[in-house]
Amino acid sequence: GAVVSQHPSWVICKSGTSVKIECRSLDFQATTMFWYRQFPKQSLMLMATSNEGSKATYEQGVEKDKFLINHASLTLSTLTVTSAHPEDSSFYICSARDGIEAFFGQGTRLTVV
Amino acid sequence: GEDVEQSLFLSVREGDSSVINCTYTDSSSTYLYWYKQEPGAGLQLLTYIFSNMDMKQDQRLTVLLNKKDKHLSLRIADTQTGDSAIYFCAESMGGRNTDKLIFGTGTRLQVFP
Repeated sequence: GAVVSQHPSWVICKSGTSVKIECRSLDFQATTMFWYRQFPKQSLMLMATSNEGSKATYEQGVEKDKFLINHASLTLSTLTVTSAHPEDSSFYICSARDGIEAFFGQGTRLTVV
Repeated sequence: GEDVEQSLFLSVREGDSSVINCTYTDSSSTYLYWYKQEPGAGLQLLTYIFSNMDMKQDQRLTVLLNKKDKHLSLRIADTQTGDSAIYFCAESMGGRNTDKLIFGTGTRLQVFP
């Protein structure tokens, strides 16, 4: 199947700093990518839909100014967690569809200290 | 509205069959998916079924769909210890690249010798 690569796999940052997470589709073009957040022992919560060349669509309750999404090319979407706080610590996963099938990155474990 | 429910935990003996259940509320779901997540990893697509199908079999995996009851199940035959993971069902309104997936709560499968 298609490959979605996410980087970094894990990151530790200080409170107040910003962290950027990259999501790449390696062997297909993705005009749309999805960003999910997963808390321990919980399901994936859709945060936003990233659209190439246009603004992202955020789910209700997700702060767009805190979670900045940029989808500048057909193979790359980035999620920047701005002014990170400990409560932003979580597992972030990106996804892209290649038709019917949806593929996921390896996830990024963010720890804010 | 979108709401996908699963039982939280399932424990089976190695060699037995596992059945993981999922219920969803949105009758307009077109595609239903099963994903596997191992600790600290992204999601691996196991299989999917189109809403006009009742059953789909793929090697050890059998998916049953009861559209009337909005019930989906995943049967794993001859369960192995390597099958221990969290299993998520997910629904999508369509098969386009822009159609988001909504995930169930996840079922933790534990296989013991």
